[in-house]
Amino acid sequence: GESVGLHLPTLSVQEGDNSIINCAYSNSASDYFIWYKQESGKGPQFIIDIRSNMDKRQGQRVTVLLNKTVKHLSLQIAATQPGDSAVYFCAETPQTGANNLFFGTGTRLTVIP
Amino acid sequence: DSGVTQTPKHLITATGQRVTLRCSPRSGDLSVYWYQQSLDQGLQFLIQYYNGEERAKGNILERFSAQQFPDLHSELNLSSLELGDSALYFCASSVAVAGGNTQYFGPGTRLTVL
Repeated sequence: GESVGLHLPTLSVQEGDNSIINCAYSNSASDYFIWYKQESGKGPQFIIDIRSNMDKRQGQRVTVLLNKTVKHLSLQIAATQPGDSAVYFCAETPQTGANNLFFGTGTRLTVIP
Repeated sequence: DSGVTQTPKHLITATGQRVTLRCSPRSGDLSVYWYQQSLDQGLQFLIQYYNGEERAKGNILERFSAQQFPDLHSELNLSSLELGDSALYFCASSVAVAGGNTQYFGPGTRLTVL
């Protein structure tokens, strides 16, 4: 079956520092990866995505890195702010076929002011 | 705001009852997905519809069913409710059905079964 896991369940960082959240996946056929942010009481919010033909993609203050060799995904948040405190999920899906997402267990990021 | 709406926001009911959760996708999105989020299972895919037709099924119980209507809104029906069905239920939508289409999530319905 599909398996997407996270290395760390919790991460605490000082405001202004950079954050790195990691994710491992097991399905070699996974072609499309997404990071979602979920704040308390809200639905998952799309942050950034990356397709398997890329190694790196940058957004506003966020960068996603994909290492297909070791099936590893990471989310880097620059200059972390208190508003970044949330649970972060990686999700994956094959780029062809069904589009249903397989989610990791999540990492809770706490930003210390 | 993702553009996906879900009602109701909260639902409290008793075991054995039946409830209906409603979802309206983003304007222009044809595909709707339902997910369940519980403390011990995380986010689990339940079922997907595209333009009114069922396209994929995940770990959805036989007591649960869904449909997508001609106006593209979707309903998730949960029957013979058990305590373990208490969870957050999310709807997501995407433009197309194929893999690689970004899914945008609604705010969820929190179901409590007493």
